Amino acid sequence: EAGVTQFPSHSVIEKGQTVTLRCDPISGHDNLYWYRRVMGKEIKFLLHFVKESKQDESGMPNNRFLAERTGGTYSTLKVQPAELEDSGVYFCASSPGVRNEKLFFGSGTQLSVL
Amino acid sequence: GDSVTQMEGPVTLSEEAFLTINCTYTATGYPSLFWYVQYPGEGLQLLLKATKADDKGSNKGFEATYRKETTSFHLEKGSVQVSDSAVYFCALRGGAAGNKLTFGGGTRVLVKP
Repeated sequence: EAGVTQFPSHSVIEKGQTVTLRCDPISGHDNLYWYRRVMGKEIKFLLHFVKESKQDESGMPNNRFLAERTGGTYSTLKVQPAELEDSGVYFCASSPGVRNEKLFFGSGTQLSVL
Repeated sequence: GDSVTQMEGPVTLSEEAFLTINCTYTATGYPSLFWYVQYPGEGLQLLLKATKADDKGSNKGFEATYRKETTSFHLEKGSVQVSDSAVYFCALRGGAAGNKLTFGGGTRVLVKP
């Protein structure tokens, strides 16, 4: 069974450009989460989808970040325009049910904004 | 709000040495506690967990005990291997933040042969 996959694994862009990160959760997992780790600090929650609906987006830093999950399958996280402080590792995770505490994480996208 | 504090790394030690990574937390209610590990080039993996006070989570020779009185969940392994080199994250879930995981800053461990 395929795990959570994220694309790209690395992205280097200039300040002001747009970047779109993609996450493919494990098939059948209704719950999809985005987290990020900035500057080697703690990993912080960004948002949570249940199927195609945003259940909790309290961690989204500002309106430059837009997350979507079309059809309740894969998800994209777009940063537009990117700023220097957006650099970090963006993780995606999925789980079959909210009360199932095990989250399956992808290997992350390393984003560098220059 | 909820928070997790863990010792900063990097921690460098020799093979077969004893490893301890301290983790303390602040949370309302009765959260579940976790240790996640990230091996080089891979995603986060759940290493072990404990869901209530005095529970001990264990896996791959690692252990951690949920200590409510000291709000701690220290990770230990009696004899580390080179393959244990990774970044370890302490986390909680089920406090004020609900189902969201709240992570510590991560501790990089390097085991030398």
